[in-house]
Amino acid sequence: AQSVTQPDIHITVSEGASLELRCNYSYGATPYLFWYVQSPGQGLQLLLKYFSGDTLVQGIKGFEAEFKRSQSSFNLRKPSVHWSDAAEYFCAVGADQAGTALIFGKGTTLSVSS
Amino acid sequence: NAGVTQTPKFQVLKTGQSMTLQCAQDMNHEYMSWYRQDPGMGLRLIHYSVGAGITDQGEVPNGYNVSRSTTEDFPLRLLSAAPSQTSVYFCASSYTREQYGSYEQYFGPGTRLTVT
Repeated sequence: AQSVTQPDIHITVSEGASLELRCNYSYGATPYLFWYVQSPGQGLQLLLKYFSGDTLVQGIKGFEAEFKRSQSSFNLRKPSVHWSDAAEYFCAVGADQAGTALIFGKGTTLSVSS
Repeated sequence: NAGVTQTPKFQVLKTGQSMTLQCAQDMNHEYMSWYRQDPGMGLRLIHYSVGAGITDQGEVPNGYNVSRSTTEDFPLRLLSAAPSQTSVYFCASSYTREQYGSYEQYFGPGTRLTVT
């Protein structure tokens, strides 16, 4: 069965420092991968997605993610974190090839210190 | 477009009561799904639908019923609420990969449900 693991429950980064959030997936076929962000009390916003092609994907708000098939990973990165990036981040994999639904990881909470 | 709308925003139920969470989308998406979000658990798929008249179970379907009589609406029913169903519920819709070569889920704002 498909699954997503986000090894870090909580990460604190200084403002201006770089960020990497880890995501590992388990999926039998070519995975479709997503990163969502959720600010406190808010809904979910799509940061970026990977379907095929270039393994380095650019998203909104200066985020990028790299798909590494050999490591079953899809880590999210940002070169310089802003205080407004403090939120919960979810990695997800498509439940199937058609796009019916998503399987989510348990999330990583990002705190930004000044 | 209003996107994905959910009602109510908040609800408090007593154990054993029933209720329906409403979800509607105006994007003509074929796929719709329901998730619940609990602290430390991420979002878990409850039920999903690939079109009017077709539904299937997700990861945590017990205690919930769904039906899809129209493309636009996908209500979630709790027949006999339990405290374990206290959660935030998100509805989502998606176009198909067949249509555009990729897809993404569009999420509603959520319903916060408390069962006492």
